[in-house]
Amino acid sequence: GNSVTQMEGPVTLSEEAFLTINCTYTATGYPSLFWYVQYPGEGLQLLLKATKADDKGSNKGFEATYRKETTSFHLEKGSVQVSDSAVYFCALTPESGYNKLIFGAGTRLAVHP
Amino acid sequence: SAVISQKPSRDICQRGTSLTIQCQVDSQVTMMFWYRQQPGQSLTLIATANQGSEATYESGFVIDKFPISRPNLTFSTLTVSNMSPEDSSIYLCSVVQGGETQYFGPGTRLLVL
Repeated sequence: GNSVTQMEGPVTLSEEAFLTINCTYTATGYPSLFWYVQYPGEGLQLLLKATKADDKGSNKGFEATYRKETTSFHLEKGSVQVSDSAVYFCALTPESGYNKLIFGAGTRLAVHP
Repeated sequence: SAVISQKPSRDICQRGTSLTIQCQVDSQVTMMFWYRQQPGQSLTLIATANQGSEATYESGFVIDKFPISRPNLTFSTLTVSNMSPEDSSIYLCSVVQGGETQYFGPGTRLLVL
């Protein structure tokens, strides 16, 4: 079946550190891939997406590249800020999945000054 | 992206009672979904709210427990029936725009005592 696996958190970083949150998926064909972010006490926001192999999604300094060969969609940011502290969810919609989102477990990021 | 509102934003309910959550979108959308996020967990799809027909429920969710209405293309309700403490969660609605990207409402935080 379809599934998403994320690295376990929490991830704790100092401000301006480099961030990587690993995400791998299992799905047939070419799913669409997403990163969502949930700030404390808030709803879910779309951070970035990629809909085909080798696409790079980017937003607010975050990037992720759709790697079909490794079935991965790792989230990266070169220099994190305290305001990036949140829970990050990797998700996919299957190629023929009627837009149903399948989420990973989420990774909590804490950035300290 | 669509502006999505939910009511109530939070509630505290007694076990055995029911709560109806409303989701309003500022534009017509074809696809609307309801998700549950249990404390500290990821999101799980409850059902797809179909306009003019019965909702399509995911495995583990049934209409008697989570009846859903979708009277038009901008509005849906989810009822959590005969609540128990295990129903304490955040309930979120989402809509599809731009082909396959889902946007989420702010969520309804439910605590069942």
